Amino acid sequence: DAGVIQSPRHEVTEMGQEVTLRCKPISGHNSLFWYRQTMMRGLELLIYFNNNVPIDDSGMPEDRFSAKMPNASFSTLKIQPSEPRDSAVYFCASSTERPGTDTQYFGPGTRLTVL
Amino acid sequence: AQSVTQLGSHVSVSEGALVLLRCNYSSSVPPYLFWYVQYPNQGLQLLLKYTSAATLVKGINGFEAEFKKSETSFHLTKPSAHMSDAAEYFCAVSDRGNQFYFGTGTSLTVIP
Repeated sequence: DAGVIQSPRHEVTEMGQEVTLRCKPISGHNSLFWYRQTMMRGLELLIYFNNNVPIDDSGMPEDRFSAKMPNASFSTLKIQPSEPRDSAVYFCASSTERPGTDTQYFGPGTRLTVL
Repeated sequence: AQSVTQLGSHVSVSEGALVLLRCNYSSSVPPYLFWYVQYPNQGLQLLLKYTSAATLVKGINGFEAEFKKSETSFHLTKPSAHMSDAAEYFCAVSDRGNQFYFGTGTSLTVIP
């Protein structure tokens, strides 16, 4: 299995621009998570989906952030407009729903720099 | 509510010495507990997990952790540190649903 795939791996953009991060979960996994990692705040859960439905988006910082999961094999996290404080590494993770096997498998992350 | 506390944001050990990374948890339900490792510029990789079977859990790369309910702890150990163990380590607790609650991480430095 290819694992969780994220693209792009690095993104540099200017303040005010729209940024779209992409994630392909492991085939057969029905839960998907978006995290943000910064030195100051550590790992923060932004949102998670179960069976393509957003379950908890309480971690989404503000309305500039939005996430979608149009099908079981693809999700996007969009920031519009981007700000320098959004600079971070964004991770996507996926898991199955079966109790006892709910290990989250992480992608390699997208390093976002907003100038 | 679930939460994790990792004592010591930075730990340094000599090569060949015992590695001990501390994790205490708080959980309103019997927890699932995890240790992840993150190497520079990479994602998080599962080291080991506890899901209410044996309290001593063995993971990859020679690491193990012991679930102690009375102490609400899940400390990570390795008998002999290797240079390649230098990384960031995260403890996490699951509420047995889909949400993970991560600790703030412990950076392990191995001194040659």
